[in-house]
Amino acid sequence: GNSVTQMEGPVTLSEEAFLTINCTYTATGYPSLFWYVQYPGEGLQLLLKATKADDKGSNKGFEATYRKETTSFHLEKGSVQVSDSAVYFCALSAPTGNQFYFGTGTSLTVIP
Amino acid sequence: SAVISQKPSRDICQRGTSLTIQCQVDSQVTMMFWYRQQPGQSLTLIATANQGSEATYESGFVIDKFPISRPNLTFSTLTVSNMSPEDSSIYLCSVEGRRETQYFGPGTRLLVL
Repeated sequence: GNSVTQMEGPVTLSEEAFLTINCTYTATGYPSLFWYVQYPGEGLQLLLKATKADDKGSNKGFEATYRKETTSFHLEKGSVQVSDSAVYFCALSAPTGNQFYFGTGTSLTVIP
Repeated sequence: SAVISQKPSRDICQRGTSLTIQCQVDSQVTMMFWYRQQPGQSLTLIATANQGSEATYESGFVIDKFPISRPNLTFSTLTVSNMSPEDSSIYLCSVEGRRETQYFGPGTRLLVL
């Protein structure tokens, strides 16, 4: 079946620290992979995505590379800001059908 | 990307009552999705709504509890019926965009007392 396993939180970092949030997946076939971000009191926003192996998605300084050999899609940012404080969700879109599978979310707090 | 609005943005309801949540999209879309996000949890798909056909519900969700309407290609409603405190959640609608991406509305925050 399809599933997403995401690093447990919460994560607290100082401003300008390096961020990694781990995400691994299980899927039949070749899914598309996504990171969504949910800022306090808001809905989910698409942060970045990758649709095939070795693709790198990037946006707002965040990056994630689709690694088929390790079935991973880890989110990274070189220097976090206070405004990055949010909950981050890893997700996959099954290659058949339209179903999305979400990880449990990782709460990030960045302190000045 | 699609622009999605939801009404109401939040509500506080008494147990046993029902609430209808509206989702409006600024473009025509084939598939709309309704999710529930319980406090501190991830998203759980409730159902998929195609225009002109009955919604398809995921395991654990039934039409009597969560009736859905999809009268046209830009609008859908989800009703949470006979509410209990366990229904307190954020309810989100989403639409499928290009290349398998889903775009989400801002969510409806529901508290049932």
